[in-house]
Amino acid sequence: QQQVRQSPQSLTVWEGETTILNCSYEDSTFDYFPWYRQFPGKSPALLIAISLVSNKKEDGRFTIFFNKREKKLSLHITDSQPGDSATYFCAASEGGFASALTFGSGTKVIVLP
Amino acid sequence: GALVYQYPRRTICKSGTSMRMECQAVGFQATSVAWYRQSPQKTFELIALSTVNSAIKYEQNFTQEKFPISHPNLSFSSMTVLNAYLEDRGLYLCGARDRGGGAETLYFGSGTRLTVL
Repeated sequence: QQQVRQSPQSLTVWEGETTILNCSYEDSTFDYFPWYRQFPGKSPALLIAISLVSNKKEDGRFTIFFNKREKKLSLHITDSQPGDSATYFCAASEGGFASALTFGSGTKVIVLP
Repeated sequence: GALVYQYPRRTICKSGTSMRMECQAVGFQATSVAWYRQSPQKTFELIALSTVNSAIKYEQNFTQEKFPISHPNLSFSSMTVLNAYLEDRGLYLCGARDRGGGAETLYFGSGTRLTVL
């Protein structure tokens, strides 16, 4: 059972456009939602994260929008750059030190110059 | 700053042999360590979660007999892939959490890429 779902599976945008990545979850006990970015051949790195207390989290060109009622999140990348080309993973956890992350299947983003 | 050193970065082993990977937490105390595997073209699967002074919890499809884990103190954890076969190839990641920290204090190692011949 896939508890964290991501869409689309892949996405191609032009430089300067806004990239929108979607994520949804099922488990009501999840309360922390980090997004990770993974470049080919590299480990994932934390990009931005949001918790249940917020509806929106912004960090530079990256913004998470959170609809708690529908258990949906979206990551918006404004002014997309070719260097943003990577696979983006949405993850979720219950928080606290004794919990692990559940990852979505990832969205591969290609930004064309 | 807090770092997790994971080694080796890459390893190649013959089918049926075993390999061990290690993670070292630097700058913080790794109260819990989670091990993940990313198979080719797939997402990250949780293998097991290890918390100091607690039993190691393995996820479905992963067993202690196949992936024994050691977490002897707050700075070190290791996992062995026993009798590795082709389906075990992938990128293995350790994620260590700071003592008393929330979910935001999860630090990933650089990963160990396993190739099985």
